[in-house]
Amino acid sequence: SAVISQKPSRDICQRGTSLTIQCQVDSQVTMMFWYRQQPGQSLTLIATANQGSEATYESGFVIDKFPISRPNLTFSTLTVSNMSPEDSSIYLCSVVPDTGNTIYFGEGSWLTVV
Amino acid sequence: AQSVTQLGSHVSVSEGALVLLRCNYSSSVPPYLFWYVQYPNQGLQLLLKYTSAATLVKGINGFEAEFKKSETSFHLTKPSAHMSDAAEYFCAVSDVGHGALVFGKGTRLSVIA
Repeated sequence: SAVISQKPSRDICQRGTSLTIQCQVDSQVTMMFWYRQQPGQSLTLIATANQGSEATYESGFVIDKFPISRPNLTFSTLTVSNMSPEDSSIYLCSVVPDTGNTIYFGEGSWLTVV
Repeated sequence: AQSVTQLGSHVSVSEGALVLLRCNYSSSVPPYLFWYVQYPNQGLQLLLKYTSAATLVKGINGFEAEFKKSETSFHLTKPSAHMSDAAEYFCAVSDVGHGALVFGKGTRLSVIA
């Protein structure tokens, strides 16, 4: 199993600022992902956070807007840069333990941009 | 490319009635399939998953789903709805061994007393 801690859990941010979300896992995992859930919408994969190399971004998401760090196998950060109200979303971290096939999600970081 | 289609953005059932939430998938490789539930203002909770073992999968809270390869479906059912089942339900697919999920648009379940 894997226990995921995301910080912050909620935040209200000013337009034009940036916010970094942290994802801490209680065990080493190779696969770690970041998702976005806009209000009333489903979840969309932003990127795969790769340890020791640049993240792999999905279509529609770019590194300048969503820089990701993955310094080790238990931690990652997602930064939402130059925020606008359209970035108001829940951002979720997800991991797959190296043994097993269950996908775990953090509780999410609920961001509101004003 | 993988995709998931959930038929019906909103389903309403009476308390005690059968719950049926439909999910069809598209995948070029054998898939892993998942159902998640999201209660208002809460995170995701895994209901059940299919990972190429038994085609009938039992999950938490009395839910189950059946994987039908010929129909590319993974519909979620519960024999008797409870008021506490009111939530948003998401079907998702993943490549075997990859871990990244493609989600359907979700189905909001309402339970009427």
